[in-house]
Amino acid sequence: DAGVIQSPRHEVTEMGQEVTLRCKPISGHNSLFWYRQTMMRGLELLIYFNNNVPIDDSGMPEDRFSAKMPNASFSTLKIQPSEPRDSAVYFCASTGNYNEQFFGPGTRLTVL
Amino acid sequence: AQSVTQLGSHVSVSEGALVLLRCNYSSSVPPYLFWYVQYPNQGLQLLLKYTTGATLVKGINGFEAEFKKSETSFHLTKPSAHMSDAAEYFCAVSDKGGGADGLTFGKGTHLIIQP
Repeated sequence: DAGVIQSPRHEVTEMGQEVTLRCKPISGHNSLFWYRQTMMRGLELLIYFNNNVPIDDSGMPEDRFSAKMPNASFSTLKIQPSEPRDSAVYFCASTGNYNEQFFGPGTRLTVL
Repeated sequence: AQSVTQLGSHVSVSEGALVLLRCNYSSSVPPYLFWYVQYPNQGLQLLLKYTTGATLVKGINGFEAEFKKSETSFHLTKPSAHMSDAAEYFCAVSDKGGGADGLTFGKGTHLIIQP
């Protein structure tokens, strides 16, 4: 199994641009999570999906952030417009057994 | 609301010495507890988890942790540190098992191994 796949691994963009982060969960997993990691705030849950349906998006910081899961094998996290304070590492995780979340390698986002 | 407190943002031990990383949690329901490890520029890997049953849980790489409800603690230990243990360690809590809802993480503890 390839594990959770995230792309791109690194993204550098300018303030105001749209950024799209992508995640492919482990096949057969029915829950998907997006987290953000920063030095100041640590690891924070942004949003999670069960069976492709968004369950809790209370962690999404602003309306500039949106996430979708059009099918069981793909999810996106979009930031529009991006700001320098969005710079962070964004992790995607998936689970199928409710006892362990498997994390992807992360996307390091830098907004100039 | 859940919360996790990890005492000590940095812990330094000598190779071969005991490793003790502290974690205290708050939860309104019986918690599910986890320890994850993160190596530089990598994602998080599960070390061990407590769901129900035995309060002493063993994980990978020789680590173990004990759930103490009376102390609301879930400290991580390893009898003898190895250089390869140098990494960032995160304690996390969930109300529903870590899959039915998201995890709440502590700030992390950076473990340094002195030769």
